[in-house]
This record gives sequence, C-alpha cells and structure tokens, in this order.
Amino acid sequence: EAQVTQNPRYLITVTGKKLTVTCSQNMNHEYMSWYRQDPGLGLRQIYYSMNVEVTDKGDVPEGYKVSRKEKRNFPLILESPSPNQTSLYFCASSLGRGMNTEAFFGQGTRLTVV
Amino acid sequence: ELKVEQNPLFLSMQEGKNYTIYCNYSTTSDRLYWYRQDPGKSLESLFVLLSNGAVKQEGRLMASLDTKARLSTLHITAAVHDLSATYFCAVASTGANSKLTFGKGITLSVRP
Repeated sequence: EAQVTQNPRYLITVTGKKLTVTCSQNMNHEYMSWYRQDPGLGLRQIYYSMNVEVTDKGDVPEGYKVSRKEKRNFPLILESPSPNQTSLYFCASSLGRGMNTEAFFGQGTRLTVV
Repeated sequence: ELKVEQNPLFLSMQEGKNYTIYCNYSTTSDRLYWYRQDPGKSLESLFVLLSNGAVKQEGRLMASLDTKARLSTLHITAAVHDLSATYFCAVASTGANSKLTFGKGITLSVRP
C-alpha cells in the first residue's frame, strides 16, 4: 500500500531536549516536505527536499533541521525544542514537479513541548 | 508571495441543502488541490485541478477551477452528516519548489 509513515504519532517533550520525527514513503517519490499545522494558520511549509541530498527552507524553518540521505526518508530534527514548536506536524511526498504531482500526507505527529 | 483565502472559515449546513465554498488565490498557478481533514486525522486528497475550466466530481462534491479569476469552488449537493469536516484548498507554486500554499480551511458542520 502506498503510504507516508510518520513516527511518533504523539510526543511530549521538555524544552531543549533534542528530538527527531521520522518520515518514510514507499512510493519512490522525489519530493518530500514538512508542514506544521496551527489553529487559525492552516498548514505552513517548514522544509522541503527535491531529491537526495537536496534540501531547502520553506516558510517557517527556524528551529528545525532536516536531512535527506535516502530517497525514502526525510526526518525532521528539533535540536532544542521550544514551546512555540508545539504543533501538529505533517510530512508529505510527491513525484515532484509536473502536472500530476499530487501530495500524499502522513498521519501527523502531535508534538507538545513543555 | 502566493496567498490563498478560503471563505467562510466555518459553515453550518442543513442536511439535504446545497452549498458552495470558495477558494481564492493571489498569483498564477497551474495546480489546485482540495483536501479533507477529519478532527485529529491526516489530510485526504479529494480533487486535483490542473487547468482552467477543470471540473471534477466525486459523490456529493464537485470542484471547479477558474484560473483567470484565480478562483476554485467546491459545491456540495444535498449535504449529509458524513461531509462534516474541515476542507482545505492548496495551490502549488510555479517555481522549483513544489510548495503547496494552503488556505486556512473551512470547517463544515452538517446539522439535521
């Protein structure tokens, strides 16, 4: 089954404790991205990757890092989480540029930083 | 900068009636998507609209795109409770980054 898998689904952590949210897709998609969803703000892109070893900032990259060492994986790293990073995070993947590049979303990770 | 606006943000619908919700965007794009999100769940793809005049239908939902007006509409026919959810439109950037810019979403609630 084609899917985007995020882990963990729920995470409560303390300020400053490094964490990683994993994202994996099994569709051989080139393009992957991370979004955060906040009430009243919709979804905003954090980082994206157009292929292996190619990553770039989205609209709200501060406080986040990513890596793309393999095509299927795109982890989101919070080196020193802060309470304003409490949010619902989604990983998405798509084939890339082109007319039929529909984005598929993971199940979401609800992160609480206390 | 691409901006996407959805109106209204909340809509209470009566079962059996028809409704239309709107999505406006600010700059040229070649792709518009509609997603549905149930509370606490992920985003489910509903429609992909790729050209001016595109119309797609699935069940009680019909989406259309007018690229000249930079407007997409989602028409709901004979609303039923199962359609209660938040609906997002997202517009793809035309640059190298296939970023989707989302509207804030419209929460639909269908009452008997």
